[in-house]
Amino acid sequence: NAGVTQTPKFQVLKTGQSMTLQCAQDMNHEYMSWYRQDPGMGLRLIHYSVGAGITDQGEVPNGYNVSRSTTEDFPLRLLSAAPSQTSVYFCASSYTSSGSDEQFFGPGTRLTVL
Amino acid sequence: DAKTTQPTSMDCAEGRAANLPCNHSTISGNEYVYWYRQIHSQGPQYIIHGLKNNETNEMASLIITEDRKSSTLILPHATLRDTAVYYCIVRAAYGNKLVFGAGTILRVKS
Repeated sequence: NAGVTQTPKFQVLKTGQSMTLQCAQDMNHEYMSWYRQDPGMGLRLIHYSVGAGITDQGEVPNGYNVSRSTTEDFPLRLLSAAPSQTSVYFCASSYTSSGSDEQFFGPGTRLTVL
Repeated sequence: DAKTTQPTSMDCAEGRAANLPCNHSTISGNEYVYWYRQIHSQGPQYIIHGLKNNETNEMASLIITEDRKSSTLILPHATLRDTAVYYCIVRAAYGNKLVFGAGTILRVKS
């Protein structure tokens, strides 16, 4: 298994540009989520999905959209990038929503918005 | 979700056991204690988790006090590659949300 994969690894955008961060998992996990990590801080939840076709907001959802058309993929869209969205973005997945199921994280996408 | 308190940083000699404490005095009965670590800004890596009983896997041991208000992560033989930020997280029984605090910076020194 490849686990959780994310593309691209690095991205530089100009203010106002849009882009999609890709996340995929091959473990048949129902739950997927997106976090962002700002320098020197812990991770904060952006959006999550409990299964295909179902998404919900996390702690910091403004400026981001998500969709879940398949079990495997959970893309994160930035509609109009802002410098405040400069961060490292991590995707994670777990088999179920149970507190007993560990989440597995991808390697991250490092985004800079100029 | 219950909050956790961890020391800001700790040092450990290579080959010795690293004991990382965590206080979670407001934990409720159905909340799990999770430990993750993050090396060089890579994606967080799952280490271990437990509910009430002590747990051990190939990476570490988790000791949870009887009142569940605190726990200790034990890396039995720390190596230089264990240098990382270690996060203690209390997670609800349902829902996939992980609330990350500042964590403990563990420095393993030769």
